[in-house]
Amino acid sequence: EDQVTQSPEALRLQEGESSSLNCSYTVSGLRGLFWYRQDPGKGPEFLFTLYSAGEEKEKERLKATLTKKESFLHITAPKPEDSATYLCAVQVRNDYKLSFGAGTTVTVRA
Amino acid sequence: DAGVIQSPRHEVTEMGQEVTLRCKPISGHNSLFWYRQTMMRGLELLIYFNNNVPIDDSGMPEDRFSAKMPNASFSTLKIQPSEPRDSAVYFCASRAGGGPDTQYFGPGTRLTVL
Repeated sequence: EDQVTQSPEALRLQEGESSSLNCSYTVSGLRGLFWYRQDPGKGPEFLFTLYSAGEEKEKERLKATLTKKESFLHITAPKPEDSATYLCAVQVRNDYKLSFGAGTTVTVRA
Repeated sequence: DAGVIQSPRHEVTEMGQEVTLRCKPISGHNSLFWYRQTMMRGLELLIYFNNNVPIDDSGMPEDRFSAKMPNASFSTLKIQPSEPRDSAVYFCASRAGGGPDTQYFGPGTRLTVL
């Protein structure tokens, strides 16, 4: 059975304090790994898709990386507006489904 | 450029009542997904449509749940009769066919069943 585990569950950061979120997965044949951001009361907002080990994507203060077993979302010099829940999801080959992790809730204090 | 549109945004109803949630996918997208999100279970896929046809409804929890997609621009999720344990946030997502697999989510409907 496909499994997606995110850690930590919650992360409290001071503004400017860089950190990383982890998404480990156990799937048979990865088609893609997706990162979403979800603000309270809103739907998940797409951030990145990673398809192969070694791939990296960047957007503003966020950088996502992928290995054969896990993905990291690095937040560099975070600002309070980066506070949100970050969700990781995986899709296996020949399937349409996304299997989501439980998310990491990030709080950035000014 | 409109994203996925859902209505209503909030619904409060009493146990036993019928509830209908609505979704308009992004224009040109041919896949549509209904999800349910709770604190206990996270995001769960309920049903998946491709080209308006239900492909996989294995995530629908009970026969009380039904979904339709009469055309490419509209889908409904109906719960009849509703129960307190159906209280959750329901999301609709759509995806373009033949390209990236990214699903784009709507703002959700927060359902409370009293």
